[in-house]
Amino acid sequence: DTAVSQTPKYLVTQMGNDKSIKCEQNLGHDTMYWYKQDSKKFLKIMFSYNNKELIINETVPNRFSPKSPDKAHLNLHINSLELGDSAVYFCASSLQGGGTQYFGPGTRLLVL
Amino acid sequence: AQSVSQHNHHVILSEAASLELGCNYSYGGTVNLFWYVQYPGQHLQLLLKYFSGDPLVKGIKGFEAEFIKSKFSFNLRKPSVQWSDTAEYFCAVSFLYSGGGADGLTFGKGTHLIIQP
Repeated sequence: DTAVSQTPKYLVTQMGNDKSIKCEQNLGHDTMYWYKQDSKKFLKIMFSYNNKELIINETVPNRFSPKSPDKAHLNLHINSLELGDSAVYFCASSLQGGGTQYFGPGTRLLVL
Repeated sequence: AQSVSQHNHHVILSEAASLELGCNYSYGGTVNLFWYVQYPGQHLQLLLKYFSGDPLVKGIKGFEAEFIKSKFSFNLRKPSVQWSDTAEYFCAVSFLYSGGGADGLTFGKGTHLIIQP
């Protein structure tokens, strides 16, 4: 069983479109995260949720909106996609803040 | 703002050579420390972690790391590398708040390790 799963794995879209990435974890963790990995492989946290509540919201454009329908799911919706949004987006989860984070396989987003 | 520095961005070694990758962080408070590995085209996998206790921690695949609090360092080591160790290595730190709670992971910029057969 996959611990942290993401869909889709690849996403190719045009500038200006709206898209969503879904994340699910079956580890029973309370905290979930979204990270962005740029073309130079640099990883930066975007959001963190604890038990459906937003905990961390780094300096991310308003076009990015996370949603957590329950503590096992954390989705990322992106409005009006821009070329600079092209990256790999990783979801992760941990039992609690500061603990070991387990990462999903990533979603490779390409905006044309 | 807290930061994490990895000193070696690209490292090329021959098989059986010893490896040491440096990692330093800037924060005077309590931290949890991690090393993650990312094989080509794959997601991040945990190599090892330090929360408290013995500052020398052992991880998977023969890796170990030593936490030196006075130097704010958490260097990764492996005595004899293999071709299959070719990957991207990330040092990551979770900064813990004094009142409870923690930041998400702050990552170093990564080290691209190439092992030549």
